Amino acid sequence: LAKTTQPISMDSYEGQEVNITCSHNNIATNDYITWYQQFPSQGPRFIIQGYKTKITNEVASLFIPADRKSSTLSLPRVSLSDTAVYYCLVGDIKRPPVDTGRRALTFGSGTRLQVQP
Amino acid sequence: NAGVTQTPKFQVLKTGQSMTLQCAQDMNHEYMSWYRQDPGMGLRLIHYSVGAGITDQGEVPNGYNVSRSTTEDFPLRLLSAAPSQTSVYFCASRNSVDQPQHFGDGTRLSIL
Repeated sequence: LAKTTQPISMDSYEGQEVNITCSHNNIATNDYITWYQQFPSQGPRFIIQGYKTKITNEVASLFIPADRKSSTLSLPRVSLSDTAVYYCLVGDIKRPPVDTGRRALTFGSGTRLQVQP
Repeated sequence: NAGVTQTPKFQVLKTGQSMTLQCAQDMNHEYMSWYRQDPGMGLRLIHYSVGAGITDQGEVPNGYNVSRSTTEDFPLRLLSAAPSQTSVYFCASRNSVDQPQHFGDGTRLSIL
């Protein structure tokens, strides 16, 4: 399993850019990198997903270096509503028997982002 | 749009009781999964399914059973509830391996 390591918590102020880095040293060739956001009493919500280089959507950017052993989620100009737990997820499930080396999705413990006024 | 629906939202059980947590999705997704989340921790995979009739174990399968008789439904059964199974349970689905997961809002389960 591709284990991930993230900072336990981060603090920021409204309007700042926040970068959360995730380490995944044993990422496999076929693994995608996915980030989820979770508010209290809700299920995780998809933010962004990528395989390499830079991906940008309307919510965030994801930076993945060439060796893919880490990734950085970038949230531009955060607001109070961005206070949540952010999970970096590496890996995937393959349909057997196409890929007998199946791997399960692994969630780390997440990064708790606190945005203050 | 219903998405992923989990029932019940809350449940209290006594040790040794059995129950089934329901999960239904209306997006015709092939892949479905069950996770548990304990306080201050990330999600751990219990069981997953890559299509109707196909299930497999995740990281923490002991004490749980699943079945996938239809594409829409993926129930999770606790055979004999134990206090260690007190947790929040999330069901998720997705269309293919390279698509993000859609999560339900969870079932909060307490076992006394």
